[in-house]
Amino acid sequence: GESVGLHLPTLSVQEGDNSIINCAYSNSASDYFIWYKQESGKGPQFIIDIRSNMDKRQGQRVTVLLNKTVKHLSLQIAATQPGDSAVYFCADHTGRRALTFGSGTRLQVQP
Amino acid sequence: DGGITQSPKYLFRKEGQNVTLSCEQNLNHDAMYWYRQDPGQGLRLIYYSQIVNDFQKGDIAEGYSVSREKKESFPLTVTSAQKNPTAFYLCASLGIYSNQPQHFGDGTRLSIL
Repeated sequence: GESVGLHLPTLSVQEGDNSIINCAYSNSASDYFIWYKQESGKGPQFIIDIRSNMDKRQGQRVTVLLNKTVKHLSLQIAATQPGDSAVYFCADHTGRRALTFGSGTRLQVQP
Repeated sequence: DGGITQSPKYLFRKEGQNVTLSCEQNLNHDAMYWYRQDPGQGLRLIYYSQIVNDFQKGDIAEGYSVSREKKESFPLTVTSAQKNPTAFYLCASLGIYSNQPQHFGDGTRLSIL
């Protein structure tokens, strides 16, 4: 079936470096994507979203890039901080049925 | 503050027992969702409801039941038919507009005694 998946299970970066988390999706009809951050024992928190009519969207210290040709998303976090340590999920929310999640990437920020 | 409240935070189930997880939202959202999360895994959809008194099965509905008698409440019952219930359960809600993120509660962790 259709899926949304992530390339790397764990990413370790030094504090102050930039982080890039990747995600692939398989549904070519997908038109709305969301990145969530999940800290241990908590529910996912919205970080940033992007619609399929955009290639790039920026937030505070975060940027999402969408490449529809290869069905790929990335989340870039600038100047990564210890508080950014968490699991990051990309999700496809096409239609109102529900989100389709990848398995997540754990980001570890080393001081 | 508006949000989603899940209770209890931790729950233990005995063999053959049904347990109910509570989810309440004060966001005035129409749609509500239940997901299951296993260690190191993404979220999988159990049930969802887009309107009061109506709900649909998700990808892993077997062994679970729900009700939606009120807009703000969407309880999930884990029945004895669910043979592997140990997991982290997340409730979410969504407003009426398209292309917006779901809001999540902080989850209930269910374990077998």
